[in-house]
Amino acid sequence: DAGITQSPRHKVTETGTPVTLRCHQTENHRYMYWYRQDPGHGLRLIHYSYGVKDTDKGEVSDGYSVSRSKTEDFLLTLESATSSQTSVYFCAIRKTDNTEAFFGQGTRLTVV
Amino acid sequence: GQNIDQPTEMTATEGAIVQINCTYQTSGFNGLFWYQQHAGEAPTFLSYNVLDGLEEKGRFSSFLSRSKGYSYLLLKELQMKDSASYLCAVMNRDDKIIFGKGTRLHILP
Repeated sequence: DAGITQSPRHKVTETGTPVTLRCHQTENHRYMYWYRQDPGHGLRLIHYSYGVKDTDKGEVSDGYSVSRSKTEDFLLTLESATSSQTSVYFCAIRKTDNTEAFFGQGTRLTVV
Repeated sequence: GQNIDQPTEMTATEGAIVQINCTYQTSGFNGLFWYQQHAGEAPTFLSYNVLDGLEEKGRFSSFLSRSKGYSYLLLKELQMKDSASYLCAVMNRDDKIIFGKGTRLHILP
């Protein structure tokens, strides 16, 4: 939907290693979001972006950083992965007219 | 801060109608979204409301009352494929979109 792609789709990594997840869109929408989804917690906002180089923290931003150097890409980095960051990560984009917001397919990350 | 409440689980019968409620508190309301999510899949967009009233889209309708901090999603002529989680999300004036924990809907034949 809406030309949004997440990569990788699956990743297993070791505790303490850095990990970067990528969200790519093809439609030049201004707003992009990163969420994690865990049983019992639902979708929780990590960081979001409202333009190139414009980002802000969400509900659970500790241990995560983001970058948006161009409109189409929003990167989520775990500087030093921990087991508590094992989760499914979703990227979302929102149309500038506010009427719709779409999700990528998700990235399943396992930290061992 | 923001607080979004919706029932954890609901059960309904095939062919019937079900209403899933969502109440919210937010600093600066800027719209409310509903999503459907099947197990193991990404959420899919159902509706967006920013003005009071009912928006109908096929078998699904969404209602909003901003003064009451209340919304509902109405599903008619339920089908087995409607078994899924339904997520309510609120956007505030800072463009953050915050989700409730979702309502798992079970459809019985």
